[in-house]
Amino acid sequence: DAGVIQSPRHEVTEMGQEVTLRCKPISGHDYLFWYRQTMMRGLELLIYFNNNVPIDDSGMPEDRFSAKMPNASFSTLKIQPSEPRDSAVYFCASSLRAAAGKYYEQFFGPGTRLTVL
Amino acid sequence: AQSVSQHNHHVILSEAASLELGCNYSYGGTVNLFWYVQYPGQHLQLLLKYFSGDPLVKGIKGFEAEFIKSKFSFNLRKPSVQWSDTAEYFCAVNAYTGRRALTFGSGTRLQVQP
Repeated sequence: DAGVIQSPRHEVTEMGQEVTLRCKPISGHDYLFWYRQTMMRGLELLIYFNNNVPIDDSGMPEDRFSAKMPNASFSTLKIQPSEPRDSAVYFCASSLRAAAGKYYEQFFGPGTRLTVL
Repeated sequence: AQSVSQHNHHVILSEAASLELGCNYSYGGTVNLFWYVQYPGQHLQLLLKYFSGDPLVKGIKGFEAEFIKSKFSFNLRKPSVQWSDTAEYFCAVNAYTGRRALTFGSGTRLQVQP
């Protein structure tokens, strides 16, 4: 299995520019999650999808952030306009649908390290 | 809202020393518990997980964790660490609230000196 694929792995941009991060979940997984990791705040959930539908976006910092999942094999996280405080590592994760009494583990991608100058 | 506390932020050990990393969560109902590891420059990988049954869970690379419901704890242990265990360790919880996302602790950075 290829695992969760994210692109780009590194992104350096200037304040005010639009940034698009991409994620391909593991085939067959029903859930897709976007996390942000910073030194100050650790790992934070931004949004997650179930069967391509956004379920919980309460972690999205503000309107500058948006996420889409047009199909089961692709999701994007967009920041427009970007700001220096958005600098972080953004992880995408996917998991199978939970069976009764269980919760399947999340498989993480390698992350995108975003630097906004 | 559920939360996870990892009280050890940075731990330094010598090789062959024993390891115990603390994890406490705040949720009174049924939970699933996880430990993830992040090696330098890499993504998170699952070490072990607890759903139900035997509260002592064994994971990969010789790690184990014990779920103590009365203490809301899920501490990670390893009898003898190696230099290759140098990494950051995250405890995570999913409570049976219908919300499928994990809540992560702040992480513990483990440094093993040869």
